[in-house]
This record gives sequence, C-alpha cells and structure tokens, in this order.
Amino acid sequence: KNQVEQSPQSLIILEGKNCTLQCNYTVSPFSNLRWYKQDTGRGPVSLTIMTFSENTKSNGRYTATLDADTKQSSLHITASQLSDSASYICVVSDRGSTLGRLYFGRGTQLTVWP
Amino acid sequence: SQTIHQWPATLVQPVGSPLSLECTVEGTSNPNLYWYRQAAGRGLQLLFYSVGIGQISSEVPQNLSASRPQDRQFILSSKKLLLSDSGFYLCAWSVGPGNYGYTFGSGTRLTVV
Repeated sequence: KNQVEQSPQSLIILEGKNCTLQCNYTVSPFSNLRWYKQDTGRGPVSLTIMTFSENTKSNGRYTATLDADTKQSSLHITASQLSDSASYICVVSDRGSTLGRLYFGRGTQLTVWP
Repeated sequence: SQTIHQWPATLVQPVGSPLSLECTVEGTSNPNLYWYRQAAGRGLQLLFYSVGIGQISSEVPQNLSASRPQDRQFILSSKKLLLSDSGFYLCAWSVGPGNYGYTFGSGTRLTVV
C-alpha cells in the first residue's frame, strides 16, 4: 500500500534554532518527492521537489534530502524564524500512470516561539 | 507566469443549500486540474481531477460533483450540502507527466451550518 508517514506530528522550537522534519514513504514506482509549507487557512506552497537522482535540494533556509534506497526524506530548517510556523507536508508522486498520482503525508505542525 | 485563483476564501452555507466553488488558472494551457478536501489533522484527500474540458474523474463517492466548462476553469458543486461537507477545499493544477508544476490555490473554508 502506498503511504507517506511524517514525524514528528508536531514540533515546538525557539526562534533561531534549527530543526529537522522526517518523511518515510512506501510509494512505488517512485517519481518525485516534494515538501510543501502550509500556513493556517492557506493553500500549500511548494518548497522543494526532488527526483530519484537527486539527494539534496535547497531553497533558502530550507534543505531537503532524499534517500531513495531507504525511502526516506528530511526537511532541515536553519535559523528558524517566527514566520516558519506552519504545517510542512511531504508529498510523493508515483509514475504508475501518465497523471502521476500524489500521496500526501499528514504534515508536521511546526511552531516557532520567540 | 502561471497563477491559480480560487474563490470564495470563506463560505458559510445552511444544510440543504447548493454550492459552487470556482477555480481558474492563468498562464498555461490544457492543465490537469484537481479538487482536494483537507479535514483538520488529516492529509489532503483527492476528490476530483480533470485532464481536459468535460473530462472529470471522481476519486471518492460523495455529495459533490465537479465540472470543467472551459480549459482553465474547474468548478466544485453540490445540489444540497450536508454537515459533513464542511472542510477546507483546495484547487490545484499541474502540467505534463510527473506533475512538476503542481500548484495549489489559496483554499476555501466551507462551513455548513
């Protein structure tokens, strides 16, 4: 069964600190993995997207890694800011069809305290 | 550049009333279009997707329907809303195999009372 599991479910950190969010998946055949940031009451916004051949991708203070062998990904946030408070969603796409079905994790709710 | 517009942002409707949520995409042709629902603490659930005008695929049986009257317009409807239809609805678009351009709208918070 194709699944995407994220951990932790929620996380609280102090402003300026770093943190790492985890994503494990069982989606096969694998096409790509994305990390989205979703502010409360808004649509998800793409942070990174990685294909099978990529093992790291950065977007400012966000760095995503991918280990396609172990089917794990992480999102590292450096020098956190209050505006980083949001839900971070891991999404994996398969290539079993032309449309490329997406499988969503339930997200990690990150809260950054001053 | 491509943009996606979704409205309204919030909606409060009585049980049994009709529903129409609209989504439009600009800056691209023949996009794949999607409607998702997101329940609190849950992942996004795909409701409908469309690969072309008039082509609608339903993922889950429900009280809702979708239509695509134009290439870049996607509408989510209901004839009679149920309390269980409350949620956060998201429209999204993508192009090409692999869906590299997968982009979400800003969402509609629907509350059925």
